[in-house]
Amino acid sequence: KAGVTQTPRYLIKTRGQQVTLSCSPISGHRSVSWYQQTPGQGLQFLFEYFSETQRNKGNFPGRFSGRQFSNSRSEMNVSTLELGDSALYLCASRRGGQGNTEAFFGQGTRLTVV
Amino acid sequence: AQSVTQPDIHITVSEGASLELRCNYSYGATPYLFWYVQSPGQGLQLLLKYFSGDTLVQGIKGFEAEFKRSQSSFNLRKPSVHWSDAAEYFCAVGRKGGGADGLTFGKGTHLIIQP
Repeated sequence: KAGVTQTPRYLIKTRGQQVTLSCSPISGHRSVSWYQQTPGQGLQFLFEYFSETQRNKGNFPGRFSGRQFSNSRSEMNVSTLELGDSALYLCASRRGGQGNTEAFFGQGTRLTVV
Repeated sequence: AQSVTQPDIHITVSEGASLELRCNYSYGATPYLFWYVQSPGQGLQLLLKYFSGDTLVQGIKGFEAEFKRSQSSFNLRKPSVHWSDAAEYFCAVGRKGGGADGLTFGKGTHLIIQP
């Protein structure tokens, strides 16, 4: 069974640009969550999608947005990039939407903003 | 709001020695607890989880963890570490319905294995 796939693995963007990251969850999983990981702030929750609906959202500015498609694949978009957006962005998929279901993580997309 | 504290930023252990990584959480009800491991440049791999029932849970790679409600702790243990265990370890807490905060992670403990 294929795991969570994130593309691309590495990305370099310039300040002010926008970027779209993609996540394909494990087959049969309907929940996709996104996390930002930085050395200073650690792992922080961005948002969660379940059956194409955003269910939960972390404390991030509106420049960070996402969506989920009918096949459960998800995209995350960051507009007007700032240097501080440089981070490892991790996607996690879960079969269900309850807390007692395991989250499986992808390998992440390393975003560098210059 | 829920929170997770991993008091040890770095831990150095000799290969073959036992290991205990500490995790304390703050949450108003019975939490769902997880330990994840991350190798450099990689994603997170789930080691083990606690949802309910037996407070001693077994995970992959020979790891185990014990949930102690009275101490709000969920410490990770391994009787004998291998050089391949060197990595970053994260404790996380989740809520019953998923919750607005998703999973809340500790800052992580960096494990160094000495030969």
